[in-house]
Amino acid sequence: QSALTQPASVSGSPGQSITISCTGTSSDVGGYNYLSWYQQHPGKAPKLMIYDVSNRPSGVSNRFSGSKSGNTASLTISGLQAEDEADYYCSSYTSTSTLWVFGGGTKLTVL
Amino acid sequence: EVQLVESGGGLVQPGGSLRLSCAASGFTFSTYWMSWVRQAPGKGLEWVGNIKEDGSEQYYLDSVRGRFTISRDNAKNSLYLQMNSLRAEDTALYYCASQSNWRMDYWGQGALVTVSS
Repeated sequence: QSALTQPASVSGSPGQSITISCTGTSSDVGGYNYLSWYQQHPGKAPKLMIYDVSNRPSGVSNRFSGSKSGNTASLTISGLQAEDEADYYCSSYTSTSTLWVFGGGTKLTVL
Repeated sequence: EVQLVESGGGLVQPGGSLRLSCAASGFTFSTYWMSWVRQAPGKGLEWVGNIKEDGSEQYYLDSVRGRFTISRDNAKNSLYLQMNSLRAEDTALYYCASQSNWRMDYWGQGALVTVSS
């Protein structure tokens, strides 16, 4: 069982917006702003999409945005495109002995 | 262009050892924390551990502490993961990643470790 909870799957049609949630505790998501999101296409390495809750690395489309409220963070993808179909993982620093935790991943299907 | 290339993966028997390497290029390796992250077949990502820029501090996942050791050679722009007393549950694709604060900016393509008799 992963430390952070994500829905197993979400789907949306091209052009629509979707949101993926990531729920933790006050020891991780709720206690720190070190929350990042990664995109992973099949057979590929993960790619950083969002860091520190809502910041985008250079080169990442502004269709990707992040936010946080309490112990739950969210990744929103607007204007869905076929290329967005992938697995998405959230990750956070944690004050427990584990130090760094990931969510179980969410499979995004673009219908 | 940032490149991280892992090597050293393979098949090992339970209780055995293996050493992974990660060759870095395209950035100033010695100024970055580095991490290892693994992904069991068909499963999610799991942080394994990380190491400070100068190698003076390392941190580990509870289940690998005492069995795995992370080291680096800044002169060779290389990161290492020494894995001892391997178990079936250590079977995974192992990624090295450059770390900035608490995010992983760049990832390698991974090295597959299979622990089986």
